[in-house]
Amino acid sequence: QLHLQESGPGLVKPSETLSLACTVSGGSIRSSTYQWAWIRQPPGKGLESIGSVDYTGTTYYNPSLKSRVTISIDTSKNQFSLNLRSVTAADTAVYYCARWITNYDTLAGYIGMYYFDYWGQGTLVTVSS
Amino acid sequence: QSALTQPRSVSGSPGQSVTISCTGTSSDVGTHNFVSWYQQHPGKAPKFLIYDVAKRPSGVPDRFSGSKSGNTASLTISGLQAEDEADYYCSSYAGSYTWVFGGGTKLTVL
Repeated sequence: QLHLQESGPGLVKPSETLSLACTVSGGSIRSSTYQWAWIRQPPGKGLESIGSVDYTGTTYYNPSLKSRVTISIDTSKNQFSLNLRSVTAADTAVYYCARWITNYDTLAGYIGMYYFDYWGQGTLVTVSS
Repeated sequence: QSALTQPRSVSGSPGQSVTISCTGTSSDVGTHNFVSWYQQHPGKAPKFLIYDVAKRPSGVPDRFSGSKSGNTASLTISGLQAEDEADYYCSSYAGSYTWVFGGGTKLTVL
């Protein structure tokens, strides 16, 4: 059973950088079938895409956050990370990491496309001085 | 990227059926048959219910069904149960490895 776990500071000061990691266990992050995504949810609000990374390190970002976001992957640690620069109170949210199906599975064939099948539990990050 | 449009809330009595709509554009829902639906209980991570518009993963009851017409996708929950009370989100592929979520719908079981 795949498990994703977010980790990082729960409090970040305005104008600083929010840094989170997502550790994947129970399966390899090094697969062409998936991308690894970051999604956030401000308190009481809906889900917002941040971006994703594939196992080669190719990244795709939400245009509204692209100028401040860097997502990276470390296959040796089975981990991927999020850096969000110059944060403000508007970046206060629960941050989720998730696995995104983006290709055929080498063994199972077509398993559907472009949906998030595994999610981390989420971590609340508050931006405040 | 604009969020997909969902009703803010819907409600139904146990045993009834409810339908949640998810309206996008010709750039996302209208073009791609890659709409997925997620259920989120308070304080929990979302759980996926439907993928590829209408397919259910194993373990999801057949009371949950999805469909699409034009730029609008729908999630129907039949035989409502108390545990179905949750927030529901749709998502659509939007091309070039990007995706968009709906604003979420709160389902109340009366």
